[in-house]
Amino acid sequence: DAGVIQSPRHEVTEMGQEVTLRCKPISGHNSLFWYRQTMMRGLELLIYFNNNVPIDDSGMPEDRFSAKMPNASFSTLKIQPSEPRDSAVYFCASSPRAGTSNTGELFFGEGSRLTVL
Amino acid sequence: AQSVSQHNHHVILSEAASLELGCNYSYGGTVNLFWYVQYPGQHLQLLLKYFSGDPLVKGIKGFEAEFIKSKFSFNLRKPSVQWSDTAEYFCAVNAHSGYSTLTFGKGTMLLVSP
Repeated sequence: DAGVIQSPRHEVTEMGQEVTLRCKPISGHNSLFWYRQTMMRGLELLIYFNNNVPIDDSGMPEDRFSAKMPNASFSTLKIQPSEPRDSAVYFCASSPRAGTSNTGELFFGEGSRLTVL
Repeated sequence: AQSVSQHNHHVILSEAASLELGCNYSYGGTVNLFWYVQYPGQHLQLLLKYFSGDPLVKGIKGFEAEFIKSKFSFNLRKPSVQWSDTAEYFCAVNAHSGYSTLTFGKGTMLLVSP
């Protein structure tokens, strides 16, 4: 079975440029999560969706960050304009069930390593 | 809201040594508990999980964890570590309430010297 698929795996860009990270969750999973991992802050939850609807975006650092999930098989995380402090590994994860039956188990993608110069 | 505390940021062991990584959580209700492992340059992978039943949970690669409800703890153990266990280990908790999400600890970096 295919796992969570993220692209690109690596991105190097210059400050001020727009960055779009993509994620395809595991088929049949209802919940999708975007995390950011840095040495300083560890693993931070940015936003998560249940059934394509954003439930909690309180972790999104600034208005420069936006995320969408137009359908059950695709999500994007966009940074515009990007800044050097956005450099991190961005992980997408999906989970089988939403709501009260959610066990919480997450299945992670390989991550997108972003470097903003 | 739930929170997770991992006791050590870094642990250094020699091969064949025994391992115990501490994890405590704070939440008054029922929880699901997880340990994830992240090998260098890779994504997080599930090591083991506890939902209910036997509080001693066995996972992959010889790891186990024990849920002690009275101590709000879920410590990870392995009797004899290998060099290939070098990785970062994350404890995580999910509360049994509505749209709760997985809350991760800060992680413990384990370095096993050959």
